Amino acid sequence: QVQLQESGPGLVKPSQTLSLTCTVSGGSISSGDYYWSWIRQHPGKGLEWIGYIDYSGSTYYNPSLKSRVSISVDTSKNQFSLQLSYVTAADTAVYYCARDLGATGVPWFDPWGQGTLVTVSS
Amino acid sequence: NFMLTQPHSVSESPGKTVTISCTGSSGSIASYYVQWYQQRPGSAPTPVIYEDNQRPSGVPDRFSGSIDSSSNSASLTISGLRTEDEADYYCQSYDSTKRVFGGGTKLTVL
Repeated sequence: QVQLQESGPGLVKPSQTLSLTCTVSGGSISSGDYYWSWIRQHPGKGLEWIGYIDYSGSTYYNPSLKSRVSISVDTSKNQFSLQLSYVTAADTAVYYCARDLGATGVPWFDPWGQGTLVTVSS
Repeated sequence: NFMLTQPHSVSESPGKTVTISCTGSSGSIASYYVQWYQQRPGSAPTPVIYEDNQRPSGVPDRFSGSIDSSSNSASLTISGLRTEDEADYYCQSYDSTKRVFGGGTKLTVL
């Protein structure tokens, strides 16, 4: 079965760029059947969808974050990545990657990675 | 700006039935499918309902979903409550520009 695993720095300084990678195992990003999404959860708060990418590199971002977000894909490594620029303390959150079923039907998320906490602090 | 509103918390006793609501802010909630996720403390969310009322493989039939167009709401109903059902539950839908989550409901089984 497909599994996702986030990786990247747990601490980022204000104004710098947050960079995370999601490694997919048990299935190929290149299959084209899915989108691949990033979602975050502020401490003790709800979920916020950040954006998705497909196997060809086409992206779609949450309008509220669009100016600072970039998602890329490396099909040779079966990975996709998130970059969030000019971070502030308000970007401190657990970041999840997830398979997004919207490419062929209704957009919902299954499975999810375990999540990684990113703290923005000097 | 499309939003989904959930009650902050609900509580019920083991063996009973509980319903969690998810109300759409604009348009018709019936226009776009609603999904539900369970999130236990320290874990990632997992889906329990997709496309309004479908259960993913492995989810017990104690979990069910429905839509009420008259109140512009979706509902998650859990019957035969067990202590392991205690978790946060999130509804999720979408519009033409983004995927949207509700604020989450903390279910306490006491």
